[in-house]
Amino acid sequence: KNEVEQSPQNLTAQEGEFITINCSYSVGISALHWLQQHPGGGIVSLFMLSSGKKKHGRLIATINIQEKHSSLHITASHPRDSAVYICAVDQTGANNLFFGTGTRLTVIP
Amino acid sequence: NAGVTQTPKFQVLKTGQSMTLQCAQDMNHEYMSWYRQDPGMGLRLIHYSVGAGITDQGEVPNGYNVSRSTTEDFPLRLLSAAPSQTSVYFCASSWTISYNEQFFGPGTRLTVL
Repeated sequence: KNEVEQSPQNLTAQEGEFITINCSYSVGISALHWLQQHPGGGIVSLFMLSSGKKKHGRLIATINIQEKHSSLHITASHPRDSAVYICAVDQTGANNLFFGTGTRLTVIP
Repeated sequence: NAGVTQTPKFQVLKTGQSMTLQCAQDMNHEYMSWYRQDPGMGLRLIHYSVGAGITDQGEVPNGYNVSRSTTEDFPLRLLSAAPSQTSVYFCASSWTISYNEQFFGPGTRLTVL
């Protein structure tokens, strides 16, 4: 059983579309992370949040602690947004992160 | 700041060989960790360290050793490589594990024949 579930696993969108990626988790957390991994590339942190909503450019992350659910939104998607987006949680009292399997996003021009 | 660096970027080993994957960070972070990434699975924790001289096992520690003699360096040793250890390995660091941004190295792609 995976503590972190992401959906969809794969997502293809036309340039300009609004994108939503979902993350559900089953444990108590102190924070949730959204990460981005480009093909063949490293992993970079996009957001870390424990409540509410955060925005950075065209990216928006929200979290609902009561429902144990977070979403990552991309407005006006662009081909350079094509990447794998990974959700990870800081489980309360644990010494490591738990990761989802990622959502592979492809944005077509 | 170089951030988190890893060497080598690519490595091919034969079964039974040993090697060390290097990881270094220049941000004075206390927490460092090693993950492996396999197709269809989330990143899995191998070993982690909460400070110099302190290490502990993660989810998949078998076949790997670590040490943390300095704050900056956290090498991962494969004792006797096996094909099941073919994977992409990422080192990460942060101030602490809880509620801190994670910084990842560029990864090492390891193939064991």
